[in-house]
Amino acid sequence: EADIYQTPRYLVIGTGKKITLECSQTMGHDKMYWYQQDPGMELHLIHYSYGVNSTEKGDLSSESTVSRIRTEHFPLTLESARPSHTSQYLCASREDRFYGYTFGSGTRLTVV
Amino acid sequence: TQLLEQSPQFLSIQEGENLTVYCNSSSVFSSLQWYRQEPGEGPVLLVTVVTGGEVKKLKRLTFQFGDARKDSSLHITAAQPGDTGLYLCAVPAGGTSYGKLTFGQGTILTVHP
Repeated sequence: EADIYQTPRYLVIGTGKKITLECSQTMGHDKMYWYQQDPGMELHLIHYSYGVNSTEKGDLSSESTVSRIRTEHFPLTLESARPSHTSQYLCASREDRFYGYTFGSGTRLTVV
Repeated sequence: TQLLEQSPQFLSIQEGENLTVYCNSSSVFSSLQWYRQEPGEGPVLLVTVVTGGEVKKLKRLTFQFGDARKDSSLHITAAQPGDTGLYLCAVPAGGTSYGKLTFGQGTILTVHP
C-alpha cells in the first residue's frame, strides 16, 4: 500500500512539450525529493524541499522546476521537453533525517 | 570520483547460492542505508545501520556496518529468484538538516531458478 503516489507511471511526449510530473504523499512529511535515474543506475538528486514554499536544486543540473505550495504535493515541471530528458523520475519523502526514504513508483518519461 | 563504490556492479547466480555485495568509501558516515529496487518500481528501504561494527539480520539478509563506519556489506544466504533487483547503499549527503541522501551506483542481482 503506497503512501506516496506518482502520476503518470509512463509518459511518451514530443519534443518541446510542457509536462508536469505529479507527486503526492499522505504521511505529512516535510522533506520531499526528486531523483533522476537511468535504468539500473544510481539515483541523482535534482530537487528537494524541506517544507512548504521552500525548494532547492540538487546535485544534478536539471532544466526542470518544482513547487511546494502544500505539504502533500511536490510537482516537477519541464517547460520544454527534450530527448535528453528521457529517464525515470522518482519522488521520495522522509519523516526526518533519522528515517529512510519512502519512494513512489516513479514516472518513466520518454521524449521523442 | 564516486563517494560510494558498490561492488560487484553485476551479479548473476543460481537459486540457493550465497552472495555478498559491498559498499565502500574513504569517508566516515553517521549512518548507512540499504535499499532494494525491483524493475519498474521505486527503491524500498531494507535497513539502516548507525553503529560501527553493527550487524543486522532481515530473514536471509545480513547487513554489517564497518568498524570505522566507512563501509558496509550485504550478505544473502540461499538466494531466491525473488531477491532479484538493484541493491543500493545510501549515506547522508553533507551536514545539513535537509535529510538528503547520496546513493551508490548499485549492484544488479539476478537469481536464476
